[in-house]
Amino acid sequence: ILNVEQSPQSLHVQEGDSTNFTCSFPSSNFYALHWYRWETAKSPEALFVMTLNGDEKKKGRISATLNTKEGYSYLYIKGSQPEDSATYLCAFDNYGQNFVFGPGTRLSVLP
Amino acid sequence: NAGVTQTPKFRILKIGQSMTLQCTQDMNHNYMYWYRQDPGMGLKLIYYSVGAGITDKGEVPNGYNVSRSTTEDFPLRLELAAPSQTSVYFCASSPLPGQGAGDTQYFGPGTRLTVL
Repeated sequence: ILNVEQSPQSLHVQEGDSTNFTCSFPSSNFYALHWYRWETAKSPEALFVMTLNGDEKKKGRISATLNTKEGYSYLYIKGSQPEDSATYLCAFDNYGQNFVFGPGTRLSVLP
Repeated sequence: NAGVTQTPKFRILKIGQSMTLQCTQDMNHNYMYWYRQDPGMGLKLIYYSVGAGITDKGEVPNGYNVSRSTTEDFPLRLELAAPSQTSVYFCASSPLPGQGAGDTQYFGPGTRLTVL
C-alpha cells in the first residue's frame, strides 16, 4: 500500500503571511505529483502537475517544488488571502495507475 | 463541455436500501474513478475503470459495485446500504495516461449520502 503524507494537517495564518506545507510520497515508480485545491462544499480543482525532479511551478501567489529523489514536494503561498482558505491535496501518480491522495492540509487565512 | 456531472447531489437512505450514484463525463476520457471522502480523511479510491467494459477495485471496494458499459458513464451501486457508507462520493475522470505526462483528474461536484 502506497503511503502519501501531508503536513501539517491544518494551519491558521494571518492575511498577508506567507506559508508552506509538505507532501511526502514514495520515491520509487514515480510518474507525477499532483496538487489540488479543495474548497469546502466544492470539488477538488487541479493546481499543478509536476513530473521532473527539480520542477518548480507557479500560479500567481502559489508555487510548488518537487524532489523525486527524496520523495517530497512543497507548496508555497505568498501573501495569503482569505480566499486561499481551502484544503490542499497532493496525489501521487505511479504511472498510469490510480492516484494515491494524501490526507490534505487544511489552510485557514484569518482577515 | 459540462465536464464531470454527478447525480443526485444529496440522498438519505435507510439501512439495507439500495441506490445507484450516477456519473457522466463528456470529455471522452478513458479513465474514470469513484472516491469517498470521510470527515478529516483524504480521498479513498473505491473503484476505477480504464475504459468501457473494464473495472478494477480500489482501496475500499467492499459494499459497492460498478459497471462501465460506455465511455461516458460510470455508475456506482450500493446494494445494502450501511451507516459506514455515509460519506461524500466523488467521481473523477482523466485521459489516457501518457498523453501529456501526468494527466490530471477532473472531479465531479460530489454526492452527499447519509445512511440512517
